[in-house]
Amino acid sequence: EPEVTQTPSHQVTQMGQEVILRCVPISNHLYFYWYRQILGQKVEFLVSFYNNEISEKSEIFDDQFSVERPDGSNFTLKIRSTKLEDSAMYFCASKRAAGNTIYFGEGSWLTVV
Amino acid sequence: AQSVTQLDSQVPVFEEAPVELRCNYSSSVSVYLFWYVQYPNQGLQLLLKYLSGSTLVKGINGFEAEFNKSQTSFHLRKPSVHISDTAEYFCAVSEGDPNAGGTSYGKLTFGQGTILTVHP
Repeated sequence: EPEVTQTPSHQVTQMGQEVILRCVPISNHLYFYWYRQILGQKVEFLVSFYNNEISEKSEIFDDQFSVERPDGSNFTLKIRSTKLEDSAMYFCASKRAAGNTIYFGEGSWLTVV
Repeated sequence: AQSVTQLDSQVPVFEEAPVELRCNYSSSVSVYLFWYVQYPNQGLQLLLKYLSGSTLVKGINGFEAEFNKSQTSFHLRKPSVHISDTAEYFCAVSEGDPNAGGTSYGKLTFGQGTILTVHP
């Protein structure tokens, strides 16, 4: 069964460093998303991406965050200068154009020290 | 704006007992409803979904949920739980896009999660 894959599974970075989290969405999907879950809190929407542009973003997704689809298969989340409060599990997700079900990856656990 | 409330943060039960995890939502438009499960150290897995039609939906692992529009609820049930059902369960909603025939944007709003612990 096709699935969303994410790398790395766990990354530790120093505060102020740039981080890129990578995702390979399901191949025939056209909507892509990033969500995050801070330890002990609910899963929060960050950004949605469709047709090579951001379609919606939350208040969390400030200028420190960016997303890119550099080729036909990868979807990346970049955090330009990480802060301690960016420590969280980041989930990538994808959806077919006409579908209503969002499929999640296993997550990338980011620890900022 | 939509919101989701999961009324119980933790639910302990004994193996083979029935369980109900409660979820209420609020939204000004039609919604699609989902339950996801997160096993320890794993990602989010779709358990079941309500899009339209029959209000009783069945999912994987013997779970089912009933959509109640008048009570704005989407409670999750299982008649007999197993140790392996121990996990965190998340209720989520998304709104339909009227410009896309009701297809969801895909922006999910999650509840706080309910930790189900099944004891032997």
